[in-house]
Amino acid sequence: DTEVTQTPKHLVMGMTNKKSLKCEQHMGHRAMYWYKQKAKKPPELMFVYSYEKLSINESVPSRFSPECPNSSLLNLHLHALQPEDSALYLCASSQSTYNSPLHFGNGTRLTVT
Amino acid sequence: ILNVEQSPQSLHVQEGDSTNFTCSFPSSNFYALHWYRWETAKSPEALFVMTLNGDEKKKGRISATLNTKEGYSYLYIKGSQPEDSATYLCALLMYSGGGADGLTFGKGTHLIIQP
Repeated sequence: DTEVTQTPKHLVMGMTNKKSLKCEQHMGHRAMYWYKQKAKKPPELMFVYSYEKLSINESVPSRFSPECPNSSLLNLHLHALQPEDSALYLCASSQSTYNSPLHFGNGTRLTVT
Repeated sequence: ILNVEQSPQSLHVQEGDSTNFTCSFPSSNFYALHWYRWETAKSPEALFVMTLNGDEKKKGRISATLNTKEGYSYLYIKGSQPEDSATYLCALLMYSGGGADGLTFGKGTHLIIQP
């Protein structure tokens, strides 16, 4: 079992919906990440939070809005998504952004209709 | 765009045989190289984090080497077992002045161990 918990496991949403993906870890890690992974492609970095502050935003469209309410929680708010945003969204955490291995959740499989 | 290349893309190996595969990356501004194992229906699991040129790390039957000057890392599996079947991802962390960037992943090597 992974120590990074993501909910929901599956999500189907329409293009006009607003939904949120949630991620939680209790390992005391200070860095948290969102990755997007499409079939047959590598995970692609979206956002990095370090000590609850957004440190990296890889030019992600504004229809994706991250939030880190505290050191254990990471949310990804979704609004007005497009069908091409359908993918597996992986959350990960690490002790720091330097040299520490990432611990991944099982991901949320998102389908935008 | 940062290119982290893995080869081969897929690999079929007989149970009991040893195997290896490659991760190639730009050698400039190197910070760290990660290896992950990703089994179907599970989350990626960290195998190694390597930082120094010449580093060799071992975990059971799996080992990895790192050459930062020429920009490559090898992952070796000795005496492959069916449970080794997975996609093996390498990921590069580069230094960018203000600190390290996020990890950039390769496409992975899909390894299938045949009994």
